[in-house]
Amino acid sequence: KQEVTQIPAALSVPEGENLVLNCSFTDSAIYNLQWFRQDPGKGLTSLLLIQSSQREQTSGRLNASLDKSSGRSTLYIAASQPGDSATYLCAVRGMDSSYKLIFGSGTRLLVRP
Amino acid sequence: DADVTQTPRNRITKTGKRIMLECSQTKGHDRMYWYRQDPGLGLRLIYYSFDVKDINKGEISDGYSVSRQAQAKFSLSLESAIPNQTALYFCATSDPKTADTDTQYFGPGTRLTVL
Repeated sequence: KQEVTQIPAALSVPEGENLVLNCSFTDSAIYNLQWFRQDPGKGLTSLLLIQSSQREQTSGRLNASLDKSSGRSTLYIAASQPGDSATYLCAVRGMDSSYKLIFGSGTRLLVRP
Repeated sequence: DADVTQTPRNRITKTGKRIMLECSQTKGHDRMYWYRQDPGLGLRLIYYSFDVKDINKGEISDGYSVSRQAQAKFSLSLESAIPNQTALYFCATSDPKTADTDTQYFGPGTRLTVL
């Protein structure tokens, strides 16, 4: 059974720092991995999706990497801003036809001004 | 207007009551999903539907039922609510007809409390 773990559970950094959020998964047979941002009262927003054949994806100040063989993904946030404060979730899709996502429990990020 | 809406946004109910949570979408997507989120546990899939005639159980379907009334509407019911169903519930959609097939679009969530 696929399990997804995110470390740390919470992170507080001063504005301007570069930071890395970690995601690990137990079954390397994945179709893709996604990173989401969750803001209170606003649901989840998809940030980046990495297909299993890809090594990384970039969007603005965000860069996500995938090492499928080791069961790891990282989300790198450059030059963090207070507006980046949110909970970040990673989710993996397995190889079956269900399109089911297995989510980690998230990292709660606070960027201090 | 939001593409995926959920009603109600907050609900407090008592044990044994029947509750329906509704989800509507204007994205024209065929696929819809219901998740619940508990503190420290991430999101878990309850049910999903690939079209109005296709309903599938997810990881934790016990105690829940769903209805896909139309392409745009997917409702989640708790026939007899119990306190451990207190959680944040999310609806999501995705579109298999585009290159963006795996991206799921989430509603704002419904916070349900069962006393």
